[in-house]
Amino acid sequence: DVKVTQSSRYLVKRTGEKVFLECVQDMDHENMFWYRQDPGLGLRLIYFSYDVKMKEKGDIPEGYSVSREKKERFSLILESASTNQTSMYLCASSGASTGEQYFGPGTRLTVT
Amino acid sequence: QKEVEQNSGPLSVPEGAIASLNCTYSDRGSQSFFWYRQYSGKSPELIMFIYSNGDKEDGRFTAQLNKASQYVSLLIRDSQPSDSATYLCAVNGAAGNKLTFGGGTRVLVKP
Repeated sequence: DVKVTQSSRYLVKRTGEKVFLECVQDMDHENMFWYRQDPGLGLRLIYFSYDVKMKEKGDIPEGYSVSREKKERFSLILESASTNQTSMYLCASSGASTGEQYFGPGTRLTVT
Repeated sequence: QKEVEQNSGPLSVPEGAIASLNCTYSDRGSQSFFWYRQYSGKSPELIMFIYSNGDKEDGRFTAQLNKASQYVSLLIRDSQPSDSATYLCAVNGAAGNKLTFGGGTRVLVKP
């Protein structure tokens, strides 16, 4: 079974802090994705990566950056957290030739 | 116009009945289609995928795809209270492995 893990289930940070969210997959997937999910707005793609050290902007990249130094690990960085970044953050991965994405358990981030 | 559209619901069905969920998409070049189930407070879980026109069955779930009409549907037979969740439709377009998600349909199965 595909396993995608995320570093924290719940996280509380203060405005202005730098926040790191980590995601690890164990299926040797090429593609990794970061989404946020908010009530009424659905799943929105922040960034994705097709390969190590490669990244592409999704629909809402502002205020975020990412890092992919190893194939199995994809990190989302909030350089200076703001209250409007309070959300559920979901990481997903997929293989190069298949479209199905497998999600991690999510991190519920609260910025106060 | 949203690229992937779903009725937000809630779709209320009695236990044992068939739940029918629909999804329409705008990109005619879309190749692959997925259904995810998401319980409240949890992450989406893949339950079905379909690539070709027609029906695909997996247990109590049947996915139906009609590329000419640009819709994909999910049938849940013998609905159980544990099927109460939000169901997300996702579409893989012609460009790469990004998925576009619909807003989800909330399903309530009443005993």
